[in-house]
Amino acid sequence: DGGITQSPKYLFRKEGQNVTLSCEQNLNHDAMYWYRQDPGQGLRLIYYSQIVNDFQKGDIAEGYSVSREKKESFPLTVTSAQKNPTAFYLCASNDRRFSNQPQHFGDGTRLSIL
Amino acid sequence: AQTVTQSQPEMSVQEAETVTLSCTYDTSENNYYLFWYKQPPSRQMILVIRQEAYKQQNATENRFSVNFQKAAKSFSLKISDSQLGDTAMYFCAFMKPLITGANNLFFGTGTRLTVIP
Repeated sequence: DGGITQSPKYLFRKEGQNVTLSCEQNLNHDAMYWYRQDPGQGLRLIYYSQIVNDFQKGDIAEGYSVSREKKESFPLTVTSAQKNPTAFYLCASNDRRFSNQPQHFGDGTRLSIL
Repeated sequence: AQTVTQSQPEMSVQEAETVTLSCTYDTSENNYYLFWYKQPPSRQMILVIRQEAYKQQNATENRFSVNFQKAAKSFSLKISDSQLGDTAMYFCAFMKPLITGANNLFFGTGTRLTVIP
């Protein structure tokens, strides 16, 4: 079945450490997105990518970095510059041929500080 | 930027009863889409229902229906015959398609719905 796979499900980060969250999709979608969800808040856009080797900052990009070397993969790195990284992270994608279609979501990764 | 407001942080409903969740949004766009997503304790984001702004007819999906008031920028979700499996966080979302084919989704802060047996 086609879908979006996020790994790991739970991730712990030490102070000063960079960590990378994985997002893989087999839906043949060009556009991919990363969101952050905090308690009592909706999802906020961190970065998105419309095509391989391209990505754009979202509303809260500071302290994060991404790459898009393959169509299927859009990893998110939470750098040591992100001072409050504890949150739930969701990856999504959509088919650029149909921009009016809603985004598909992965199951998320919960990141916590040790 | 678009803003989406859900003014009810928590709601509860008796099983088999009907409940309405409110959502308002602010935009100057003319071409946009509105969604309700459900996030159960498993944290998956599940699309419940969608509405195209250019359509006057309210969307319906089985027990779920919306009341879309474009002039008032209001988009409420009605759940009929509530079931225990409806217990979840519900997010209202505004989507603006981009000319590139990607789209921008803006979410409200969510309403936690509890269905009481």
